[in-house]
Amino acid sequence: AQSVTQLGSHVSVSEGALVLLRCNYSSSVPPYLFWYVQYPNQGLQLLLKYTSAATLVKGINGFEAEFKKSETSFHLTKPSAHMSDAAEYFCAVSINSGGGADGLTFGKGTHLIIQP
Amino acid sequence: NAGVTQTPKFQVLKTGQSMTLQCAQDMNHNSMYWYRQDPGMGLRLIYYSASEGTTDKGEVPNGYNVSRLNKREFSLRLESAAPSQTSVYFCASSYRGINEKLFFGSGTQLSVL
Repeated sequence: AQSVTQLGSHVSVSEGALVLLRCNYSSSVPPYLFWYVQYPNQGLQLLLKYTSAATLVKGINGFEAEFKKSETSFHLTKPSAHMSDAAEYFCAVSINSGGGADGLTFGKGTHLIIQP
Repeated sequence: NAGVTQTPKFQVLKTGQSMTLQCAQDMNHNSMYWYRQDPGMGLRLIYYSASEGTTDKGEVPNGYNVSRLNKREFSLRLESAAPSQTSVYFCASSYRGINEKLFFGSGTQLSVL
């Protein structure tokens, strides 16, 4: 079975500062990894996805994430935070479970707060 | 450009009442999902439909039933609502399975008193 741990339920950064949201996973097989963002009163939107093609994945809105197999991590970063980045961020891991959607597991989420 | 449409957006029920949450997608996706979101719990899968005509249980199916009415529509029914089902419910779809991008609806906030 796979699992996801997001370190820090809340992260606060100043506008213009580096954003770092941490995600560690466990999986018995090579995983697919995702970061989703949820703005207030909205559904989730895909930020980026790792599928083993490249370890550094670039997503929308200036975000990127690096897959580190040795550390079983997939941390999300953005060089300079903007007020519009304030949202809930979810890391997710999926395995090829033969098509079963129970192969996708979401983390508990990290609430990103941007201080002016 | 509707994407995934959920109705209603808000609902208050009394314990024991029943209701159906509706979901429709216009992207010709094969797979559809129902999740619930609770504070500090992330998203948990209730039921999913890998393709038209099939449905399967997810992590937390108890107290729910689903119907994949056609390729576009996937409904979630609460037969006898309980306070533990107070949550935000999200419908999602993908072209083919969980390893592809999921498109989410805007959610239904359900309170069971």
